[in-house]
Amino acid sequence: GDSVTQMEGPVTLSEEAFLTINCTYTATGYPSLFWYVQYPGEGLQLLLKATKADDKGSNKGFEATYRKETTSFHLEKGSVQVSDSAVYFCALSDNTSYGKLTFGQGTILTVHP
Amino acid sequence: DARVTQTPRHKVTEMGQEVTMRCQPILGHNTVFWYRQTMMQGLELLAYFRNRAPLDDSGMPKDRFSAEMPDATLATLKIQPSEPRDSAVYFCASGLVETQYFGPGTRLLVL
Repeated sequence: GDSVTQMEGPVTLSEEAFLTINCTYTATGYPSLFWYVQYPGEGLQLLLKATKADDKGSNKGFEATYRKETTSFHLEKGSVQVSDSAVYFCALSDNTSYGKLTFGQGTILTVHP
Repeated sequence: DARVTQTPRHKVTEMGQEVTMRCQPILGHNTVFWYRQTMMQGLELLAYFRNRAPLDDSGMPKDRFSAEMPDATLATLKIQPSEPRDSAVYFCASGLVETQYFGPGTRLLVL
């Protein structure tokens, strides 16, 4: 079945540091890929998405590129802020199950001033 | 700004009691999902509906959990009887195509 694997966390960075959170997936067909973010005490929010190979999703300074050849969708940000501290989830939709998502285990990011 | 709403936001109950959680999906969304989040298991899909019909509830303990959509504006998740191991945050999400929009969750503590 489909699966998503995220890099081990937690990740701790200083403000203005470069962020990479790795995500790889296993799926048949042509899935859509997503990054969701969960701030403390809140539900998950869509951060960005990409629906086909080589697409780049971007939002709030975050970017991720759909790489079919490496089955990856790594999340990057050039300069993190304290307010980016949250849990980040990579997910895929196989586009055949009415929007059902397969989530990674989540990566906790803490940014210090 | 349309949002998924969930009630109650917090619930403390005793083992054996019935718990009902409610979700109002975003108007016009035709797919509704129920998730459970714990530190140990992470995010688990319990059940989901499309156009109010249940598509998959294989993630739910069948003997105690039930999920319904009495109408397009309300989804419910019931636990009867509740057990301490049910303590978790329960999220509802709704969607139209492939993007899901999550509610703020119900934090359940079963003593």
